[in-house]
Amino acid sequence: AQSVAQPEDQVNVAEGNPLTVKCTYSVSGNPYLFWYVQYPNRGLQFLLKYITGDNLVKGSYGFEAEFNKSQTSFHLKKPSALVSDSALYFCAVKKSYNTDKLIFGTGTRLQVFP
Amino acid sequence: EPEVTQTPSHQVTQMGQEVILRCVPISNHLYFYWYRQILGQKVEFLVSFYNNEISEKSEIFDDQFSVERPDGSNFTLKIRSTKLEDSAMYFCASSTGDSNQPQHFGDGTRLSIL
Repeated sequence: AQSVAQPEDQVNVAEGNPLTVKCTYSVSGNPYLFWYVQYPNRGLQFLLKYITGDNLVKGSYGFEAEFNKSQTSFHLKKPSALVSDSALYFCAVKKSYNTDKLIFGTGTRLQVFP
Repeated sequence: EPEVTQTPSHQVTQMGQEVILRCVPISNHLYFYWYRQILGQKVEFLVSFYNNEISEKSEIFDDQFSVERPDGSNFTLKIRSTKLEDSAMYFCASSTGDSNQPQHFGDGTRLSIL
C-alpha cells in the first residue's frame, strides 16, 4: 500500500538555525513528491516538488528538499529558520502514472522560536 | 496570483440534511479535486474530476457524495444525507492536468454536523 510518513509531530528550532522536516514514502515506481505548508485557517500552499532530475530541489521562501531514492526520503530543509516559518508542513506523494491522487503524511508542526 | 476560492468558510448542518460545498477553481485549470481532513487526522483524497466526469474516487466517496460542475466556473461537492462523521475540513484543489504540476488548494470549508 502507498503511504507517506512524517515521523515528527513537532519540530522546534531557534530562529536563524537550520531546520529539517522529515518525510519518507512507500510508493511503487517513480513517485512525484511535494511539500505543502498550512498556516492557521488557510489551505495547503504549495512549496516545492520533485519530479525528476537533480535530487536537490528549491522552492518558495528559501525552502529546499532533498530526494533520496535509496532511503525513500524527501526531507524539507531551510538553512536559516524564521519565526514566520512556523506552520504545519505536509509531505505528499503521487504515482507518476494513472492517478492524480495525492497521498499525504500526517503533517509536522514547525515552531520557530525567536 | 490566481487562487482557488471556497465558500462558505464554515457550514453548520443538522445530521441527515443535504449540504453543498462550493469551489471556484483557477480559471485555466482542467482538473478538479476534493479532499477532506478530519480534525487531527491526515488529508484524504475524495475524488478527482475532469471533462465533466469523475476520473478517480476513493472508498470514502460513496453514494452519499456527488460532484458537479454546474457552469464554467463552479465545482461543487454535495453530501446527500450528512452523518456526524462527515464533520471535517473539506478542501477543493485544481491543477492544469500536467502530471508533474502541483495541485493548488483553497482555504477549505469547515463542515460541522450537529
